[in-house]
Amino acid sequence: AQSVAQPEDQVNVAEGNPLTVKCTYSVSGNPYLFWYVQYPNRGLQFLLKYITGDNLVKGSYGFEAEFNKSQTSFHLKKPSALVSDSALYFCAVRDSGGYQKVTFGTGTKLQVIP
Amino acid sequence: NAGVTQTPKFQVLKTGQSMTLQCAQDMNHNSMYWYRQDPGMGLRLIYYSASEGTTDKGEVPNGYNVSRLNKREFSLRLESAAPSQTSVYFCASSRGQGARNTEAFFGQGTRLTVV
Repeated sequence: AQSVAQPEDQVNVAEGNPLTVKCTYSVSGNPYLFWYVQYPNRGLQFLLKYITGDNLVKGSYGFEAEFNKSQTSFHLKKPSALVSDSALYFCAVRDSGGYQKVTFGTGTKLQVIP
Repeated sequence: NAGVTQTPKFQVLKTGQSMTLQCAQDMNHNSMYWYRQDPGMGLRLIYYSASEGTTDKGEVPNGYNVSRLNKREFSLRLESAAPSQTSVYFCASSRGQGARNTEAFFGQGTRLTVV
């Protein structure tokens, strides 16, 4: 069975500082990995994905994520945090060989402090 | 471009009542999904439809039924609501074909309370 772990319920970072939101995964085959962001009372919005190719993936709003196969991780990063980045972030995984089922992590609340 | 539209946005039900959550997408996507979001649980897949005419159970299907009415619409029905079904429900869709088109697009959610 596939799974996703987001070990931090909340991450606090000062505005202007770099941020990292952690994600590790487990899947039987090759993974497709995703990050989504959720603002209050809204649906999830797609940020970026890793399918194949370069381990460093760039996405929306200046976010990027690094795929590390040996550590089964896909951490979300941004060089300089903005207050407007404060939101709930979800990591998700699906098996490249499997059906369309996507498994989500429990989410990490990012708080950027002015 | 509306994307994924869910109705209603809010609903309060009494235990034992039934209701249908509606979802429609205008992106010509093949696959559609229903998730529920509970605090500390992330999103859990209730049912999905890989393509028009097919539906399959997800992680937590008990107490729910779905209908893929056509390519655009995917409804979720609660036949006899229970307090444990109090949650925020999200509909999502994706192209569903090929590795590079796998990201999902979500609706705004339906906040359901069962009393």
